[in-house]
Amino acid sequence: NAGVTQTPKFRILKIGQSMTLQCTQDMNHNYMYWYRQDPGMGLKLIYYSVGAGITDKGEVPNGYNVSRSTTEDFPLRLELAAPSQTSVYFCASRPGQGPYEQYFGPGTRLTVT
Amino acid sequence: GQNIDQPTEMTATEGAIVQINCTYQTSGFNGLFWYQQHAGEAPTFLSYNVLDGLEEKGRFSSFLSRSKGYSYLLLKELQMKDSASYLCAVREVRGKAAGNKLTFGGGTRVLVKP
Repeated sequence: NAGVTQTPKFRILKIGQSMTLQCTQDMNHNYMYWYRQDPGMGLKLIYYSVGAGITDKGEVPNGYNVSRSTTEDFPLRLELAAPSQTSVYFCASRPGQGPYEQYFGPGTRLTVT
Repeated sequence: GQNIDQPTEMTATEGAIVQINCTYQTSGFNGLFWYQQHAGEAPTFLSYNVLDGLEEKGRFSSFLSRSKGYSYLLLKELQMKDSASYLCAVREVRGKAAGNKLTFGGGTRVLVKP
C-alpha cells in the first residue's frame, strides 16, 4: 500500500491564483482530513469527510473548498490565493473503527506571493 | 471548543529521560493521541490513551488522567533521532461530528544534545 499520497510536494502561487491540492489514499478509509500547519505551530483542521459525498468544515475553512466523489480521493481547492494561505498542508485518513489513529500524507508546501 | 496546552520547547541530553506535559479542557473527551513529527516531515502516530493510566511502548510511555485533564509523554534513553516535535491531540465527542475530529496542541520541540 502507498498509504496517503499528496501532490504536488511544493508550489508557489501568485496572489489571486487558484489551485487544487490532491490527496489519495489506498487503505479504503472512510474518514479523510485536511490540515494546515504554519511554521512552529500545531495542525489546524480545514475540512474533513466521513465518507464519499459527505464533507464538513473544520476550524479554518475560509478560502478553501473540498469535494469527496470517491472513497480514495479528497482534493482541496484554493480559490483566490492569499499570502495568509502560505503554509504546509497535510492530508490524513483513518478507518471507521478504532483505534482512530490518523495516517498522514507527506504534505504540500505552499507559498503565496 | 477545546484548549490544549503543551510547552513550546525542551532540551535534554542523549541517554536521559524527558517528560512532555499536555493539559486540555474539553466537554466531551474521548481519547488523547501523541504524534511525533520530524522537521519537514508528516506526523506519525506514537500512542493513544482513552482510559486513565500508563501505556508503555518500548522507550515511549504515555499517561492520562481524565479527571485532571492531563497527559504526559515520557521518552526514555533519549537518542539523537528523538529530536523532533511532539504533538498532543484530543478526540472529542460532541454534536454531529462526534468522534470525527482531533484538535491538536501547538507541539513541543525536543532537542536532544550529545
